[in-house]
Amino acid sequence: DAKTTQPPSMDCAEGRAANLPCNHSTISGNEYVYWYRQIHSQGPQYIIHGLKNNETNEMASLIITEDRKSSTLILPHATLRDTAVYYCMPGYALNFGKGTSLLVTP
Amino acid sequence: DSGVTQTPKHLITATGQRVTLRCSPRSGDLSVYWYQQSLDQGLQFLIQYYNGEERAKGNILERFSAQQFPDLHSELNLSSLELGDSALYFCASSKGGLSGNTIYFGEGSWLTVV
Repeated sequence: DAKTTQPPSMDCAEGRAANLPCNHSTISGNEYVYWYRQIHSQGPQYIIHGLKNNETNEMASLIITEDRKSSTLILPHATLRDTAVYYCMPGYALNFGKGTSLLVTP
Repeated sequence: DSGVTQTPKHLITATGQRVTLRCSPRSGDLSVYWYQQSLDQGLQFLIQYYNGEERAKGNILERFSAQQFPDLHSELNLSSLELGDSALYFCASSKGGLSGNTIYFGEGSWLTVV
């Protein structure tokens, strides 16, 4: 599996943008980058994925660097319900790693 | 609702016993995955099946086994249960494409071994 590196934890104030970084320097050229999140004890939830271009959906935006070695998940207006563990994963990966624990505070 | 159905939602059993967890994937998905999550631990990948065949194996104990049936549902069998097997077991499914594909998770089966 391509290796990913994410900060273990981050804080964000409610209503502000949460920017979650991920390094995936060994990702292969045709491998998508996927983001999931897991709210405590629930099944992980798909958020967004991308290959080269930036992507946006109703949940988040994904910014991928031109060299594809890193990406940033952006939650534009974080709410308390966004408190969760966020996982960045190359498309072929099966192991979720430790992810980033995001705490959104009032 | 992800479309992945897992049963039972909760299960309590004694050490040494055997249990079977069942998973129905999303309609059209050919791949099924099993994950284990112990208390305050990360998701541990156990095994993946694609269209009835084992595709990848992770940290699955020899006491555990799985299979995917012709109708694509899957079962995870856990035998000679130990206290440490108490965990949340997730099933997930995907279409199984080669360039990476979105994985959809069920709500999990809580197993408590006493």
